[in-house]
Amino acid sequence: DVKVTQSSRYLVKRTGEKVFLECVQDMDHENMFWYRQDPGLGLRLIYFSYDVKMKEKGDIPEGYSVSREKKERFSLILESASTNQTSMYLCASRGDTGGDEQFFGPGTRLTVL
Amino acid sequence: GENVEQHPSTLSVQEGDSAVIKCTYSDSASNYFPWYKQELGKRPQLIIDIRSNVGEKKDQRIAVTLNKTAKHFSLHITETQPEDSAVYFCAASMSRDDKIIFGKGTRLHILP
Repeated sequence: DVKVTQSSRYLVKRTGEKVFLECVQDMDHENMFWYRQDPGLGLRLIYFSYDVKMKEKGDIPEGYSVSREKKERFSLILESASTNQTSMYLCASRGDTGGDEQFFGPGTRLTVL
Repeated sequence: GENVEQHPSTLSVQEGDSAVIKCTYSDSASNYFPWYKQELGKRPQLIIDIRSNVGEKKDQRIAVTLNKTAKHFSLHITETQPEDSAVYFCAASMSRDDKIIFGKGTRLHILP
């Protein structure tokens, strides 16, 4: 049973703060993803990673960075949080064979004041 | 890059009736089309998927059809039940790339 966990369910930060969102998966998946979910906009890909220390920009990378030092952990970093980054953030992982199911974490609802 | 359009954004159907959600994709290289269901307050979960070498796939009350020529695919839910109320996302992925690109979602309401 694949488990994808995220460090926080709810987070409140102030404008300008550096924010870390952590994601851990226990199925030895090579591929990990960060999405943000906003009403009416669906799931938008921020960054993804095919392997340790590798990263690729998604559709909306501006204002974000990522880190993948270990295979099971993928971190999303907001260098200087802004109010327009208030959103639900979802992490996901997927096996190396193209077409495998993508498993999501429970999400982190981030509010930036 | 790939672009996935999904319609309608909201759908209300009477309990017991059928629901159909339609999606189009832009890149003919896409070959994997999953559908995810997200219940209120929960994470998205895969409910059915189809590969480009298959035209239709069924799993109990849900089915997905794929028209590669027209680049569109649809989700069909028959005999809808209250527990079918959720947001449904279609998606597309290419074999050379493990990104999955999602549509914007359809909020399905099952009316009593």
